[in-house]
Amino acid sequence: KNQVEQSPQSLIILEGKNCTLQCNYTVSPFSNLRWYKQDTGRGPVSLTIMTFSENTKSNGRYTATLDADTKQSSLHITASQLSDSASYICVVSAILTGGGNKLTFGTGTQLKVEL
Amino acid sequence: GAVVSQHPSRVICKSGTSVKIECRSLDFQATTMFWYRQFPKKSLMLMATSNEGSKATYEQGVEKDKFLINHASLTLSTLTVTSAHPEDSSFYICSARPRPTGVSNSNQPQHFGDGTRLSIL
Repeated sequence: KNQVEQSPQSLIILEGKNCTLQCNYTVSPFSNLRWYKQDTGRGPVSLTIMTFSENTKSNGRYTATLDADTKQSSLHITASQLSDSASYICVVSAILTGGGNKLTFGTGTQLKVEL
Repeated sequence: GAVVSQHPSRVICKSGTSVKIECRSLDFQATTMFWYRQFPKKSLMLMATSNEGSKATYEQGVEKDKFLINHASLTLSTLTVTSAHPEDSSFYICSARPRPTGVSNSNQPQHFGDGTRLSIL
């Protein structure tokens, strides 16, 4: 069964600090992995996408890593800001027989950045 | 960037009412749109996949007669919650995948709408 597990479930950090969110998955056959940011009451917005051959991908203060061997990914946020407070969702895409792909969503890490 | 518009953003209505939610891709054509449901502090749950010009594919456990999906054009899909009851109250989110342009469709991103908060009294 395809699964995506994220940790921690929630996290509170002070503004300016760094943090790392974890994602472990058992999805196969693997196509790609995305990290999304979802603000409260809004739809998810894509931060990064990584395919099998990519180890690191950055988008501003966000840096994602992927270890396809251990099926783990992380999202590192540098110099956090109050606006980073949101749910961060790891989404893994599996290739479907016959074409297309299917997404498996993690339950997200709820990040709160405080003054 | 690609924009998906979802309307309305919030609906409050009485039990027994049918509610229609629209999902539009504003600057791209979407052959496939997806409808999700999200409970508080939970992950998105795929309800159905909507393909332009054909019947939607529903996930196991989702009542197709309860959640009617119409994908009449390459830029519009609608979800109608028929005879809604309080247990249908939830956050519904749509997403759209751009039409493939020659590259692998598996890496085409899904662009999400901002969701519809449905509250049934």
